[in-house]
Amino acid sequence: GAGVSQTPSNKVTEKGKYVELRCDPISGHTALYWYRQSLGQGPEFLIYFQGTGAADDSGLPNDRFFAVRPEGSVSTLKIQRTERGDSAVYLCASSLSGGLAEAFFGQGTRLTVV
Amino acid sequence: AQTVTQSQPEMSVQEAETVTLSCTYDTSENNYYLFWYKQPPSRQMILVIRQEAYKQQNATENRFSVNFQKAAKSFSLKISDSQLGDTAMYFCAFRYSGNTPLVFGKGTRLSVIA
Repeated sequence: GAGVSQTPSNKVTEKGKYVELRCDPISGHTALYWYRQSLGQGPEFLIYFQGTGAADDSGLPNDRFFAVRPEGSVSTLKIQRTERGDSAVYLCASSLSGGLAEAFFGQGTRLTVV
Repeated sequence: AQTVTQSQPEMSVQEAETVTLSCTYDTSENNYYLFWYKQPPSRQMILVIRQEAYKQQNATENRFSVNFQKAAKSFSLKISDSQLGDTAMYFCAFRYSGNTPLVFGKGTRLSVIA
């Protein structure tokens, strides 16, 4: 596709349920990032993939959060036993290699836990 | 740890006027990369301008320019001839090397008034 695609755009789930958020990056981008953005805040880093492997998962808040990128393209962020505090916009970005490389963002998934 | 501070939560500017958004950061690295991203209500983060700390010359992209003061660890964004379409959240971001994740500030909400 032309840009980074995230599905669904919006997700409402009940407390305690499991959710999966999908990110389809720009073709050929080896780096993929997940961020979480709470209302009125800047994006906070969750996890970064280089190819298929998680190069840095230091931003994952706890073991309820997990992400995969099995074939080095599409990534799925998985949240178990959701809590109301998990409500936020989850952003995905992808880029080519290099420090000055532009990170291209998707439009995010707004997750609401009720 | 690197931190990014945006001290102006909200700003407004008259159409066609010039506005400057401030950003300071804290790092012990010598070379790094700085970015300004724009986030309109559609949620999609869009790159506005970027700068490598190694380069002394301030980056410019059409109506957008930066004032990079390395010693002061300051990276302000100047928007000239403001347009209604510039209304958005603006985030300053820092990356210290390679494909490491971006660290974002909390953002400045800019309103351009007709």
